[in-house]
Amino acid sequence: GDSVTQMEGPVTLSEEAFLTINCTYTATGYPSLFWYVQYPGEGLQLLLKATKADDKGSNKGFEATYRKETTSFHLEKGSVQVSDSAVYFCALSGTSGSRLTFGEGTQLTVNP
Amino acid sequence: GAVVSQHPSWVICKSGTSVKIECRSLDFQATTMFWYRQFPKQSLMLMATSNEGSKATYEQGVEKDKFLINHASLTLSTLTVTSAHPEDSSFYICSAKVRAEVTGELFFGEGSRLTVL
Repeated sequence: GDSVTQMEGPVTLSEEAFLTINCTYTATGYPSLFWYVQYPGEGLQLLLKATKADDKGSNKGFEATYRKETTSFHLEKGSVQVSDSAVYFCALSGTSGSRLTFGEGTQLTVNP
Repeated sequence: GAVVSQHPSWVICKSGTSVKIECRSLDFQATTMFWYRQFPKQSLMLMATSNEGSKATYEQGVEKDKFLINHASLTLSTLTVTSAHPEDSSFYICSAKVRAEVTGELFFGEGSRLTVL
């Protein structure tokens, strides 16, 4: 079945540092890939998505590129802010588009 | 963008009582809604998939008599935790799929934190 593996957290960075959170997946066919962010005590918000190979999703300075050859969708940001502190979830939706499979989540803490 | 609202955002109840959580899509019709459970510092665990006008499909290991799901309209799904016990304390999150959305993107509610005393 489909699965998503994220790098283990927690990740702690200083403000303005470079961020990478690795995400790899296993799926049949051509899934859509997502990054969701969860701030403390809240639900999930879509951060970015990519629906086909080589697509790059971007939002709020975050980027991720759909790499089919390496089955990866790593999240990057060039300069993190304290307000980026949250839990980040990588997810995929199979070709049926009917449900999301989530990774374990990565807690990011950015210190001033 | 599409907005999903949950109510209540937090609830405290006594052991043995039942609690209902509502999930509404505010500006779109959601043919499918999903209910998740999240334990502290853990990922989301899919509990069930609810389709408007039909019975919910429960994931393996989720008691359907314990967690009653109703999806009576295109904008409302409810989760009722029956005879709640302290081990049911958790963060429950719903999500909804926009009709005709083919990428699988979901829109999430704010979550409901249940504490059973």
